[in-house]
Amino acid sequence: DAKTTQPPSMDCAEGRAANLPCNHSTISGNEYVYWYRQIHSQGPQYIIHGLKNNETNEMASLIITEDRKSSTLILPHATLRDTAVYYCIVSGGGADGLTFGKGTHLIIQP
Amino acid sequence: DAGVIQSPRHEVTEMGQEVTLRCKPISGHDYLFWYRQTMMRGLELLIYFNNNVPIDDSGMPEDRFSAKMPNASFSTLKIQPSEPRDSAVYFCASSLGGLLAKNIQYFGAGTRLSVL
Repeated sequence: DAKTTQPPSMDCAEGRAANLPCNHSTISGNEYVYWYRQIHSQGPQYIIHGLKNNETNEMASLIITEDRKSSTLILPHATLRDTAVYYCIVSGGGADGLTFGKGTHLIIQP
Repeated sequence: DAGVIQSPRHEVTEMGQEVTLRCKPISGHDYLFWYRQTMMRGLELLIYFNNNVPIDDSGMPEDRFSAKMPNASFSTLKIQPSEPRDSAVYFCASSLGGLLAKNIQYFGAGTRLSVL
């Protein structure tokens, strides 16, 4: 699976959009981008995934660049409950499981 | 659905003792995963099952660790004998079948293990 690079931490004001970047320059054609988050003392939670088109669900939006070498997770109206570690993972869905990196610690400020 | 259920939530044991962690996946899910999380190493995949069959156990640290899935609704992760370095939070996750859905995993609340 392709390696990802994320900033270790980010701050965002409550009510504003939180934009979390992820670089995955070695992604291959059949690999998807997945986002998970882990709120303190809880298990990771699936957020969204995509291949090459932008995706949106009730939790977030995922913007993938045309060359697929990077992506951005957008939480449109961040709340204090969105404070968590956010993991960007690239996987082709083969026999390998998910590989979680260090993620981005997003802190929502009141 | 109650989600993935793990027990116990907390376990404190002494070095050398046997520890058994339990997991009940979401009904109808074909895949079951065991992860370990520590501050030093982050979240690591230990082993996963598909339709009760172990598929990849390359993440199991050593022979002291073993995992079983006797049926579709139950799995165990056993450590025997336990060591202080096994102290971590152990997560179980499950997902539907299919190579894409496999990666949409639902995690339990975890078992926090402390080996003294």
